[in-house]
Amino acid sequence: AQTVTQSQPEMSVQEAETVTLSCTYDTSESNYYLFWYKQPPSRQMILVIRQEAYKQQNATENRFSVNFQKAAKSFSLKISDSQLGDTAMYFCARLSGGSNYKLTFGKGTLLTVNP
Amino acid sequence: EAEVAQSPRYKITEKSQAVAFWCDPISGHATLYWYRQILGQGPELLVQFQDESVVDDSQLPKDRFSAERLKGVDSTLKIQPAELGDSAMYLCASSLEENQPQHFGDGTRLSIL
Repeated sequence: AQTVTQSQPEMSVQEAETVTLSCTYDTSESNYYLFWYKQPPSRQMILVIRQEAYKQQNATENRFSVNFQKAAKSFSLKISDSQLGDTAMYFCARLSGGSNYKLTFGKGTLLTVNP
Repeated sequence: EAEVAQSPRYKITEKSQAVAFWCDPISGHATLYWYRQILGQGPELLVQFQDESVVDDSQLPKDRFSAERLKGVDSTLKIQPAELGDSAMYLCASSLEENQPQHFGDGTRLSIL
């Protein structure tokens, strides 16, 4: 089975500091998409950032940026100037094509931002 | 911003009973998904619709689970009979097309007693 691996079950960071969450994946597809989703406690899953595999430039959304290493199949998320509201479960996900597109999630990283 | 609506938010029922969840996707979104999320894990796809047609139900336990999207808009997921192992969060998501980002609802937290 093609998997998405998040090797850090839990992480913590001090407010205003920078933190990086890791994700690796495997796929046999040439065209695919990668996402980071955020799920705060008891709240809905929200899209943080997306990356198309055919784009070499790393995606950036305000304080959130990714380091996409296609050859290494690595897709890490960097959060700068961490805020208390960033406390959440973060899921890395891969959307692969083929006969139909399917979104596969990692097991998640619980990030706690400490004041 | 338009959202995916789900109801109920919480459901507690006894094993062997029937339970149903409802989802209304963002207007205009052709693709609708039902996921099951066990506590501490990522969501796993149960069924995917393109308009009113099922395009992937390979992970749906068809002996007890059913899903429909009759008019290609809102959708219902049913479990009959419910088992203890069905306790989980059930998430609905929708996207404009299948290769576009998915937008999630708040989910239904199901507890089977």
